[in-house]
Amino acid sequence: EAGVVQSPRYKIIEKKQPVAFWCNPISGHNTLYWYLQNLGQGPELLIRYENEEAVDDSQLPKDRFSAERLKGVDSTLKIQPAELGDSAVYLCASSQGEVTDTQYFGPGTRLTVL
Amino acid sequence: QQQVKQSPQSLIVQKGGISIINCAYENTAFDYFPWYQQFPGKGPALLIAIRPDVSEKKEGRFTISFNKSAKQFSLHIMDSQPGDSATYFCAGQRDSGAGSYQLTFGKGTKLSVIP
Repeated sequence: EAGVVQSPRYKIIEKKQPVAFWCNPISGHNTLYWYLQNLGQGPELLIRYENEEAVDDSQLPKDRFSAERLKGVDSTLKIQPAELGDSAVYLCASSQGEVTDTQYFGPGTRLTVL
Repeated sequence: QQQVKQSPQSLIVQKGGISIINCAYENTAFDYFPWYQQFPGKGPALLIAIRPDVSEKKEGRFTISFNKSAKQFSLHIMDSQPGDSATYFCAGQRDSGAGSYQLTFGKGTKLSVIP
């Protein structure tokens, strides 16, 4: 069974440019998460989807970040415009949504903003 | 507010030794405590997890010890191997409603097992 797929794996952009990350969760997983992981830190939740509905986006900086999950499967996270401080790894995870459920993480997209 | 405090930040252990990583939590709404292992360039992967109604869980060389009254839990890696060299994250999970669960991670411990 394929795991969580993310692309691109690496992205280098100049500040003020837009950038988008794509995630394909494990088949059948209704819950999808986007996390931000700064160097030397644990992942921090940005947004959580139940099917196509964003049920927790309280940590998403909505002035520059947006996300969507069309048809409740793939998801896209966008930053516009990017700032130097956005340099980090963006992780996508999915789960089936049960109490002892495992969140399966993708390999992440490493963003560098110059 | 950091809800899960993890220590040490880094750990060097000789092959065959015991690696011990400690975590403390603040949020009593957490009802599931997983440990994740992350290799460079990879996403975190679940290693072992425990519910607060048990004090210990063992899977192979990995053991979680849980102290609910102290709100502390720890990961023990017995007979540590160079292949165990990775960053380990403890986490607390709570029911965030709508059938999904929110993880709060510690800051991680970078383990290096030297031959």
